[in-house]
Amino acid sequence: NAGVTQTPKFQVLKTGQSMTLQCAQDMNHEYMSWYRQDPGMGLRLIHYSVGAGITDQGEVPNGYNVSRSTTEDFPLRLLSAAPSQTSVYFCASSRGLAGVDTQYFGPGTRLTVL
Amino acid sequence: TQLLEQSPQFLSIQEGENLTVYCNSSSVFSSLQWYRQEPGEGPVLLVTVVTGGEVKKLKRLTFQFGDARKDSSLHITAAQPGDTGLYLCAGDARGDDMRFGAGTRLTVKP
Repeated sequence: NAGVTQTPKFQVLKTGQSMTLQCAQDMNHEYMSWYRQDPGMGLRLIHYSVGAGITDQGEVPNGYNVSRSTTEDFPLRLLSAAPSQTSVYFCASSRGLAGVDTQYFGPGTRLTVL
Repeated sequence: TQLLEQSPQFLSIQEGENLTVYCNSSSVFSSLQWYRQEPGEGPVLLVTVVTGGEVKKLKRLTFQFGDARKDSSLHITAAQPGDTGLYLCAGDARGDDMRFGAGTRLTVKP
């Protein structure tokens, strides 16, 4: 099993550009989440999904869109990148609720917005 | 303001020393987790505690959940350089919304 994979590893954008961060898992997990990690802030939940076709907002959803068309994939879209979105982004998956079941994290995408 | 406050923010000790890091909140959590994160990687789950007063041991690491389920501590006995990393606590406030602390960055010097 590859676990949770994320692409790209690094990305530089200009303000106003759009892009999609890819996340895939091969563990048949129902729950998937996107977090951002900033210095001194810990990880903050952006969006999450409890199954295909179901998504919900987390703590910091503004500026980001998600969709969950399959169990395996959970892409994160930035529609118009802003410097405040410079961060490291982590995707995670778990079999059940993140607070009960083990959450597996991907290696992260380091995004810089100029 | 962080929902979960971790202290200390940084800790540098010599190999063989003991240490305790803390995770505090004014909110009650149904569960609390501890993760370790190494540079360039995602966090890895160490333990989940769900019962107030619960103590769990993982080799030289001892985790405790406060009686009121608002705080937790991580104690490491005889720290080793391999324990170096960022230790994060995370609380489950409502079952599907994990909140993380800012972390304690631990350095264990040989």
